[in-house]
Amino acid sequence: AAGVIQSPRHLIKEKRETATLKCYPIPRHDTVYWYQQGPGQDPQFLISFYEKMQSDKGSIPDRFSAQQFSDYHSELNMSSLELGDSALYFCASSRIRGQGNYGYTFGSGTRLTVV
Amino acid sequence: EDKVVQSPLSLVVHEGDTVTLNCSYEVTNFRSLLWYKQEKKAPTFLFMLTSSGIEKKSGRLSSILDKKELFSILNITATQTGDSAVYLCAVEARDNYGQNFVFGPGTRLSVLP
Repeated sequence: AAGVIQSPRHLIKEKRETATLKCYPIPRHDTVYWYQQGPGQDPQFLISFYEKMQSDKGSIPDRFSAQQFSDYHSELNMSSLELGDSALYFCASSRIRGQGNYGYTFGSGTRLTVV
Repeated sequence: EDKVVQSPLSLVVHEGDTVTLNCSYEVTNFRSLLWYKQEKKAPTFLFMLTSSGIEKKSGRLSSILDKKELFSILNITATQTGDSAVYLCAVEARDNYGQNFVFGPGTRLSVLP
């Protein structure tokens, strides 16, 4: 069965550079969530999109932006990278429309290392 | 292909019941197994298990790992309505890219008053 696909798997960037992370949800899932997990920490919710519109916003820095496209994939854009942005970035998808909010399915994450 | 399976996918119980959630896995280069509780937005970390046979406890929750049979269980005793959530099992493995987390589909627990 198809899962949530995240790319790239691993990314190394220098300070002040930009990075773009991509998330491809499970087919027919209409909602995408982004999380940031630092070493030894709980995942922190960043932002979510439902039907290509921002549905909820968490602790996403102003330097980050995200969007969901017409094919439901989402991209997280990160600018002016800082060392503290080094973390595992998870994407999850679910289907809300008509079924209630069930079954977050997580991708395997993108590990971003800022040097 | 790395895989994490959870069962049941959905469970409805009454307050005071005891529940056991199951997680089995097939991964290469296993490092640890983690349990999370997800209520609204971000998952909350519950346990990290790395060694077989050592039970970890936190209040009414406990978990144990069997690395030989490749599974873990999460027990919740004397359930309360506040335990209603999706419980996620994730396995940390190491592949050519470094760390790799594989999440299971989650078990949705509903505790009725």
